[in-house]
Amino acid sequence: AQTVTQSQPEMSVQEAETVTLSCTYDTSESNYYLFWYKQPPSRQMILVIRQEAYKQQNATENRFSVNFQKAAKSFSLKISDSQLGDTAMYFCAFMKQIQGAQKLVFGQGTRLTINP
Amino acid sequence: GAVVSQHPSWVICKSGTSVKIECRSLDFQATTMFWYRQFPKQSLMLMATSNEGSKATYEQGVEKDKFLINHASLTLSTLTVTSAHPEDSSFYICSARFGFQPQHFGDGTRLSIL
Repeated sequence: AQTVTQSQPEMSVQEAETVTLSCTYDTSESNYYLFWYKQPPSRQMILVIRQEAYKQQNATENRFSVNFQKAAKSFSLKISDSQLGDTAMYFCAFMKQIQGAQKLVFGQGTRLTINP
Repeated sequence: GAVVSQHPSWVICKSGTSVKIECRSLDFQATTMFWYRQFPKQSLMLMATSNEGSKATYEQGVEKDKFLINHASLTLSTLTVTSAHPEDSSFYICSARFGFQPQHFGDGTRLSIL
């Protein structure tokens, strides 16, 4: 079974600081996808960034970047120059194809608060 | 692009009634749609996966007769909570995907059963 673990239930940083959210996963597969989703108070799920396991290069989207360590099964999210609007729940998610169906497995989430 | 609309956003109804939630992909064809349930301060739990024109595949522990899912077209899937009771109160979120593209989520529906 695939499991996703986020060991930090809550984090809090000052605006403009850099923050890193941790995520580890467990799988025996070699090809899969990893995602970070953001869920602000509005509760809409927003895709932040995704990583394909066969790509060694870490994905980057503006202020968001990941540190993907395949051997260690680690997929952390770094937010640079954090903004008040980054305050949200962040979910790490793992996806693989199972008999033609692709399913997302989410971690428990990390509640991130950016303080002014 | 890739907008998913979910309706209603909030519904309150009496115990014993049935409630239908709609999930529409507005600007793409959703070959697959997913339904999740989220309890307060918890993560998303996948309830079922539906492919257009096929019966939904339910996750273990999810009652098929309680949560009826229909995916009759490439842009619409519905979740009907039948004979709803207070324990069915939750936040329900749909997502849609075309092919192997990432899932795009709706805004969710807050269901409160009195």
